[in-house]
Amino acid sequence: GAVVSQHPSWVICKSGTSVKIECRSLDFQATTMFWYRQFPKQSLMLMATSNEGSKATYEQGVEKDKFLINHASLTLSTLTVTSAHPEDSSFYICSARDPATGGSYEQYFGPGTRLTVT
Amino acid sequence: AQSVSQHNHHVILSEAASLELGCNYSYGGTVNLFWYVQYPGQHLQLLLKYFSGDPLVKGIKGFEAEFIKSKFSFNLRKPSVQWSDTAEYFCAVYTGTASKLTFGTGTRLQVTL
Repeated sequence: GAVVSQHPSWVICKSGTSVKIECRSLDFQATTMFWYRQFPKQSLMLMATSNEGSKATYEQGVEKDKFLINHASLTLSTLTVTSAHPEDSSFYICSARDPATGGSYEQYFGPGTRLTVT
Repeated sequence: AQSVSQHNHHVILSEAASLELGCNYSYGGTVNLFWYVQYPGQHLQLLLKYFSGDPLVKGIKGFEAEFIKSKFSFNLRKPSVQWSDTAEYFCAVYTGTASKLTFGTGTRLQVTL
């Protein structure tokens, strides 16, 4: 099946610094990737939809200047948390759609990245 | 806007007990429905999905779900749970209007020996 990887799996950074999280589709080309945020014991909240070669579409309430998304290739999307603060500490999950599945809207999820801002 | 409700937040069952997790969505048009499972320390995995056709769909590991359009429901069932089914279960809906997956708040299932 389709595999999505994320790197790093966990990261600790100091307040005010930036951190980049990578999301890769390993065995398929993903024109669309998604970035979610999951708080402890809560559901996944969609942050933005990342489209290859174009600007990301952010959900309401998500600061696009703080959460920079780049989808430069069909297998890689990156999320950069700029000027991180402790309240940005969370579990960030990416997913990708495999266009080869046609009308299927199934998404394949990465293992997530635990970000802790101190 | 579409939304998904999972009424059971935490369910505790003994092994071999039957399972039914509720999922209701709010959207009047065509929907695609999913159940995902997240085992402790692991990533989300697809259990099953419904796009069209037979409203009773079977997934992996003995799970099944029934789409009842009149009730806007997509409940997950398993006749006999195992300890290894201990996990977080998420219901999700996709509509062409929103063009995104909307997740329910999740149900934590704990299966005791």
